[in-house]
Amino acid sequence: DAKTTQPPSMDCAEGRAANLPCNHSTISGNEYVYWYRQIHSQGPQYIIHGLKNNETNEMASLIITEDRKSSTLILPHATLRDTAVYYCIVRVAGGTDKLIFGTGTRLQVFP
Amino acid sequence: GAVVSQHPSRVICKSGTSVKIECRSLDFQATTMFWYRQFPKQSLMLMATSNEGSKATYEQGVEKDKFLINHASLTLSTLTVTSAHPEDSSFYICSATGSNYGYTFGSGTRLTVV
Repeated sequence: DAKTTQPPSMDCAEGRAANLPCNHSTISGNEYVYWYRQIHSQGPQYIIHGLKNNETNEMASLIITEDRKSSTLILPHATLRDTAVYYCIVRVAGGTDKLIFGTGTRLQVFP
Repeated sequence: GAVVSQHPSRVICKSGTSVKIECRSLDFQATTMFWYRQFPKQSLMLMATSNEGSKATYEQGVEKDKFLINHASLTLSTLTVTSAHPEDSSFYICSATGSNYGYTFGSGTRLTVV
């Protein structure tokens, strides 16, 4: 079973920040938080990952709470092309362990 | 970045026939590949894990004789749906990973069995 909990859906106005929460209260000390997204009828796309520090790249920012039991993916200026299902996954970094997807959050960006 | 090519993107086949889906890592050696299935409005469900040169490891409830997986090289894995039936109609997605690479997904194959 997936080790994360996400809201099933969220809406966001175009140009505004989209904040997608994820709970991972049973995360282990060596597990990272990964975020992927899936645009309709495509394969998942990697967004970002982190261990305990906040991370930022060209796509998004990842904020992880100090106790690491939850995190938030931030899309700073959402566009219509960001409409997708966003998946939060916890796993050990490196290696070839399988990725188990939960139900994800369906983000709808509206004009 | 790492690229995974999946082919075909769409396939329609008659009930009772077999269909082969290919997954190729184009610019890296994929020691491990994964196959997922996704039904409409549902999440990805892992079917099996394959390591190059080894037999695939199937998830519980996935019929190994129906979904044949071959991973004969570090750049190619194939999934063959044998004796396909309408209930096998789904979106099949592969993922590949190798040393120093994250998980890269193919673009998926939409299988329709008529």
